[in-house]
Amino acid sequence: AQSVTQPDIHITVSEGASLELRCNYSYGATPYLFWYVQSPGQGLQLLLKYFSGDTLVQGIKGFEAEFKRSQSSFNLRKPSVHWSDAAEYFCAVAGDSNYQLIWGAGTKLIIKP
Amino acid sequence: DARVTQTPRHKVTEMGQEVTMRCQPILGHNTVFWYRQTMMQGLELLAYFRNRAPLDDSGMPKDRFSAEMPDATLATLKIQPSEPRDSAVYFCASGTGTSGIETQYFGPGTRLLVL
Repeated sequence: AQSVTQPDIHITVSEGASLELRCNYSYGATPYLFWYVQSPGQGLQLLLKYFSGDTLVQGIKGFEAEFKRSQSSFNLRKPSVHWSDAAEYFCAVAGDSNYQLIWGAGTKLIIKP
Repeated sequence: DARVTQTPRHKVTEMGQEVTMRCQPILGHNTVFWYRQTMMQGLELLAYFRNRAPLDDSGMPKDRFSAEMPDATLATLKIQPSEPRDSAVYFCASGTGTSGIETQYFGPGTRLLVL
């Protein structure tokens, strides 16, 4: 069965520092991978997605993610975080049914001033 | 800037009462998703519609939950009777493409508290 693991429940980063959020997936075929962000009290917003092609994917708000098949990973990165990036980040993989996403538990990002 | 809208944003009700949550998908989107988010279970897919037809509602407790799309501009999720374990945030999302997950737009959610 497909699964998504986000090993870090929360991460604290200083404003201006770089960020990497980890995501590992379990899926037999070529995965469709997503990163979403959820600000407090808000819905989820798609940051970026990988379906095929270039394994380094650029998203909105200055985020990027790299698909590494050998490591079953799709880590999210940002070179310099801003206080407004404080939110919860969810990694997801499309399941066998083409409309269902398997969600990770989320990583809460805390920004230190 | 097109958005998915959901009403009400907050709902407090007593056990046994009926709850109706409404969603207006983005105009032109042909897929609608209902999700439930809780601390314990995370995000769960409750129902999935494509072109207003319910294709999957296996995530919903059938005896108390129902989801419909009376028209292309309205999706509803009803709980009758409500129970305290239904307390959660309920999100509606709409999308386009083959399945809709390619680009899902989420609404702000309905935060439900059942006492």
